[in-house]
Amino acid sequence: GESVGLHLPTLSVQEGDNSIINCAYSNSASDYFIWYKQESGKGPQFIIDIRSNMDKRQGQRVTVLLNKTVKHLSLQIAATQPGDSAVYFCAEYTGGGNKLTFGTGTQLKVEL
Amino acid sequence: EPEVTQTPSHQVTQMGQEVILRCVPISNHLYFYWYRQILGQKVEFLVSFYNNEISEKSEIFDDQFSVERPDGSNFTLKIRSTKLEDSAMYFCASSEAQAGELFFGEGSRLTVL
Repeated sequence: GESVGLHLPTLSVQEGDNSIINCAYSNSASDYFIWYKQESGKGPQFIIDIRSNMDKRQGQRVTVLLNKTVKHLSLQIAATQPGDSAVYFCAEYTGGGNKLTFGTGTQLKVEL
Repeated sequence: EPEVTQTPSHQVTQMGQEVILRCVPISNHLYFYWYRQILGQKVEFLVSFYNNEISEKSEIFDDQFSVERPDGSNFTLKIRSTKLEDSAMYFCASSEAQAGELFFGEGSRLTVL
């Protein structure tokens, strides 16, 4: 079956530290993954994506790593800031590209 | 920057009543979606829509739910007879291409009493 899940429900980091949020997926046929950020009371906001023909992709302060061998995805946030506090979801496309399935979500808390 | 807009932001209704949630997707987008998020839980897929047809729907999207693109700009989700468990945040999303980046609206909070 298809499922996307996160290892940790809550992650607390100190301001300025790096954050790593992990995600496991089970559908080996998935070829496109997206990380979304959701702030309280708002809709999910795109952060970064990666296709299965890549291992790593970098954005501004964020890096996504994809390990297809163990079906694992991670989001790294450099120099975490208070504004990074949110719930982070990994998501994968299933159903022939018509359905984006979200994982459980990790709450990132940035401590001053 | 173009955005997906949703109305109402919050609706309170009695159990058994019909509810219509409205969305205006980004204008050049062709793929439309509805998602639901019960408080504190993950974002759940309801339905995807393209070319005036449902492309895929989840098991949550039963006969009580329907979607429509009535006029070329709006995309609506109708719940025919609301149940208490329909209380959730409903998000509309659109994308330019199939299996592309989804842009989400700010959501419509539905409270069923």
